[in-house]
Amino acid sequence: DQQVKQNSPSLSVQEGRISILNCDYTNSMFDYFLWYKKYPAEGPTFLISISSIKDKNEDGRFTVFLNKSAKHLSLHIVPSQPGDSAVYFCAASPGNQFYFGTGTSLTVIP
Amino acid sequence: DAGVTQSPTHLIKTRGQQVTLRCSPISGHKSVSWYQQVLGQGPQFIFQYYEKEERGRGNFPDRFSARQFPNYSSELNVNALLLGDSALYLCASSLRVDEQFFGPGTRLTVL
Repeated sequence: DQQVKQNSPSLSVQEGRISILNCDYTNSMFDYFLWYKKYPAEGPTFLISISSIKDKNEDGRFTVFLNKSAKHLSLHIVPSQPGDSAVYFCAASPGNQFYFGTGTSLTVIP
Repeated sequence: DAGVTQSPTHLIKTRGQQVTLRCSPISGHKSVSWYQQVLGQGPQFIFQYYEKEERGRGNFPDRFSARQFPNYSSELNVNALLLGDSALYLCASSLRVDEQFFGPGTRLTVL
């Protein structure tokens, strides 16, 4: 039973434009949400997090939005750069273990 | 500062063998979690240890076990290896509940 879903396996965006990666979850007990970026043959790299008491968190080019009523979160990358090309995972936790989505492969076209 | 380190980087075993994977957390982090990632999927939670005690266990068979040492490093053991155990095994350490920092992983191939 997949509690965290990323329904878009891939996304292509022009350099300089906005990348929007989406994530849906089913468990209303999730309190913490994280986004990771992963290159092949490397471990996931932490990007940004948000707790359930917030609806937005920003860090440089990265902004995460949380819509608790819709059980949906999104990661916005502005402006997108070729170095952002990687697989992005969202993860959610009720406070102990993290549940991961299946990932979205982002390609930023120069 | 050193990040999470894992050893070995790669490992090849045959069915039925046993394997031990090692993880050193970021200095000061007392919590270590283990994940299994198979191709095309997100990481799946196996164990979490905090202050040498098991705090969580995912849906994995008893062939999987782990422990955490006084210096907060950790080992993951898998007995009676199956072909389906072939995966990238990731270790993550954390200081707070809203974060996890991953190591580079150990690629296990079971033949």
